[in-house]
Amino acid sequence: SQQGEEDPQALSIQEGENATMNCSYKTSINNLQWYRQNSGRGLVHLILIRSNEREKHSGRLRVTLDTSKKSSSLLITASRAADTASYFCATDYPGTYKYIFGTGTRLKVLA
Amino acid sequence: DVKVTQSSRYLVKRTGEKVFLECVQDMDHENMFWYRQDPGLGLRLIYFSYDVKMKEKGDIPEGYSVSREKKERFSLILESASTNQTSMYLCASRRFRGRVGEKLFFGSGTQLSVL
Repeated sequence: SQQGEEDPQALSIQEGENATMNCSYKTSINNLQWYRQNSGRGLVHLILIRSNEREKHSGRLRVTLDTSKKSSSLLITASRAADTASYFCATDYPGTYKYIFGTGTRLKVLA
Repeated sequence: DVKVTQSSRYLVKRTGEKVFLECVQDMDHENMFWYRQDPGLGLRLIYFSYDVKMKEKGDIPEGYSVSREKKERFSLILESASTNQTSMYLCASRRFRGRVGEKLFFGSGTQLSVL
């Protein structure tokens, strides 16, 4: 399976702490994207990082990409209770239309 | 902003019924997708449509078919629903295939239960 793996599967932190989640994939990619899913709802796009980029920021989000290790991490700084959600990475590969999603990390931020 | 609307939030059907899941997007996107989401398995692609009347099988097409007669509407059909098709179904769209890295816009999902 080409499916990505994310870890941890679940993460529980206090409000104000930073949350880090990781994504690994199996073959060379064009881009890697991160999505957020509130409980029982659709996914919302957060950030995209291209294969030739190493780090990207968007507000409280920081994404890194290490193509040599085929891995990415998403850091959410100063987390809030409203950040409680599941987070998925998605990769797209040269020559294919598909986006392959990871299995997700469930983040719980305690107030 | 783009809106992707799925016709039902929750659906309960009986084994053997024919089930239609409808998805409509309002931003003239060329590409549309159907995924199913199961705990521990993430999102798996069922079918993809890159334009009107064009479709390609995804990773798990068995037991499903699709229809795209108009650009804005992409329907997923379960010809004879089975209990193992109980799942959350997510529709998504994106602008066009040719551009790398286009983000997906998702509907709110349909939680289908087959009894």
